[in-house]
This record gives sequence, structure tokens and C-alpha cells, in this order.
Amino acid sequence: GAVVSQHPSWVICKSGTSVKIECRSLDFQATTMFWYRQFPKQSLMLMATSNEGSKATYEQGVEKDKFLINHASLTLSTLTVTSAHPEDSSFYICSAPGDSNTYGYTFGSGTRLTVV
Amino acid sequence: AQSVTQLGSHVSVSEGALVLLRCNYSSSVPPYLFWYVQYPNQGLQLLLKYTSAATLVKGINGFEAEFKKSETSFHLTKPSAHMSDAAEYFCAVSDPGGSYIPTFGRGTSLIVHP
Repeated sequence: GAVVSQHPSWVICKSGTSVKIECRSLDFQATTMFWYRQFPKQSLMLMATSNEGSKATYEQGVEKDKFLINHASLTLSTLTVTSAHPEDSSFYICSAPGDSNTYGYTFGSGTRLTVV
Repeated sequence: AQSVTQLGSHVSVSEGALVLLRCNYSSSVPPYLFWYVQYPNQGLQLLLKYTSAATLVKGINGFEAEFKKSETSFHLTKPSAHMSDAAEYFCAVSDPGGSYIPTFGRGTSLIVHP
């Protein structure tokens, strides 16, 4: 089945630095990937839709300059949290549409970001 | 617009007891519905999905859900809870005629007591 690999699984960084999170589709091509943010004990909030070869589409209220998304190939999308601050600490999850027969989405294992 | 309401942020059951996690949806078009499970510090795993075929859907790990249009519900059940079922469960709805991007409920934490 479709597998999405997300790295790193956790990262601690200092305020003001940038962190890159990678999301790879291992056995299928993903022209579209989705990036979610999840606060403790809360649901997933869609941040942006990553489109291969074009600009990402951001949800309302998400800072484009802070959360840089790049989808350079059919198997790789990256989310870079720039100039991170403690309030950016969260659990970030990527997702890609599964095969056409499932209509489900395959999720990465998530990245726990802690900004100190 | 679509939305999902999961009644109860926490559900506690004894091992071997029936599991019932409630989900009600709102959608202007016939929806696709999903249940996902999330273990701590992990991504989401698809349990089952309803895509306008059979209204009773069977998923992995013994879970099943029934689509009831008249009640706009898609409750998740399992006859006998196991300790390994303890996790966060998310109901989601998507528009098959639109972007397919799912809208998630707030989640229900299932607690299983020995």
C-alpha cells in the first residue's frame, strides 16, 4: 500500500533558527501533499496544500513566509519553519492522497517540533 | 461546507466491553466518511471508509461503522475492546465532488481499562 515517510520524527531547535521537515512518498507518486498542524489533544488543522512544480496553497491565517513549502519532485515535499519561536512548537503531519481505489489519505508518522 | 462532530472527547471502557465512538456529520452533498486512529506521537492510520457503497463498513482491527443518512451519523463500533485499542480516533468527512480533502473532527480518546 501507499507509504509516506516523514522525517525527522522529532526535533528541538533554538528560537530564531529554521527547521526543515521532509515528507516522501515511497511507493507512489504524489502530485499533491498536505501539511497539517496538530496541537495537544486537538484535531488536525490543514495548513497548506503542496503542489508539485507549483506554488503551495495556504489556508487562511497561515503565514506563508514562516511556513515555506517546496514540492520539487513527485515524491518529496518539504516544510520549513523559518525563524522558529516557541509558539511554533507543535506536531506537524504530512499526508498524500492514496491510490484511486481507496479515496483515503496516507499520513506520515509526524514530526514533534519543540522550539526552546 | 462540511463538518464533523465527535461527541465525547474521552470514552472509557473495560477490556472486552463494547466500544462505541460517535460521529455526526454535516454535508450539503453525499459525503465520503472516514475513521482514522492515531497512536501517541504517530501519524494517522485509516481504519475504514464509506464511499457510497454498503452502509455497513468493516475495517481493520475488528472495527466497523454504519452510515445512517437519516441520522447523519457514522458511529464507530467494536464488539470487544482490547488494551491495544487505546488511542485517539478521528472521524473525517470529504466531498467526493470536490477536492476530497478531509475535514477532521476534534477526536475522541479511547481509554481501555483492564
